[in-house]
Amino acid sequence: GQQLNQSPQSMFIQEGEDVSMNCTSSSIFNTWLWYKQEPGEGPVLLIALYKAGELTSNGRLTAQFGITRKDSFLNISASIPSDVGIYFCAGRRNYGQNFVFGPGTRLSVLP
Amino acid sequence: SAVISQKPSRDICQRGTSLTIQCQVDSQVTMMFWYRQQPGQSLTLIATANQGSEATYESGFVIDKFPISRPNLTFSTLTVSNMSPEDSSIYLCSVDEDNRETQYFGPGTRLLVL
Repeated sequence: GQQLNQSPQSMFIQEGEDVSMNCTSSSIFNTWLWYKQEPGEGPVLLIALYKAGELTSNGRLTAQFGITRKDSFLNISASIPSDVGIYFCAGRRNYGQNFVFGPGTRLSVLP
Repeated sequence: SAVISQKPSRDICQRGTSLTIQCQVDSQVTMMFWYRQQPGQSLTLIATANQGSEATYESGFVIDKFPISRPNLTFSTLTVSNMSPEDSSIYLCSVDEDNRETQYFGPGTRLLVL
């Protein structure tokens, strides 16, 4: 079945640093979603991507839909303590199919 | 975006008992889903809750263990039956927003089975 890989698995950064993480698939997807989950909460949708090469921002967050359609990237600029959480990617080939979720990247921000 | 609420937010249950989790959406949606998130893990789809028909279960999940109701377009329930400690997880309700390729999650129900 379809699987997503996320890299890195976890990361520890200093407050103010920029963060990059990615999500890769062996299959082509036509929709990519990025979520953040904080402890005790459900995943919150950050950014949705629908077109190969698309670059979309949400505040300090920027995500890109890879040209190959097999990957997506999430960048966070000037990290702050409230960026702490687990970031999940999700992909779907066609509307009506179920989303596939990655294992997540756990982000820790050191003051 | 759709606003999703779940009840209860958390519970501690004895093995062998059952718990029913409710999911309420503030707007009518076609697609509602139930996910399980085991400690430190990603999200695993249990089933799609279909309005007016039986839920569609993913491999490894069965109706006898996880019966689901979907009486209308804004509400669904998931029952975790005959619980064991292995059922300790976060259970999440999710909806696909109609005509948009996005999926939103509720806050989750944290279940601990002793």
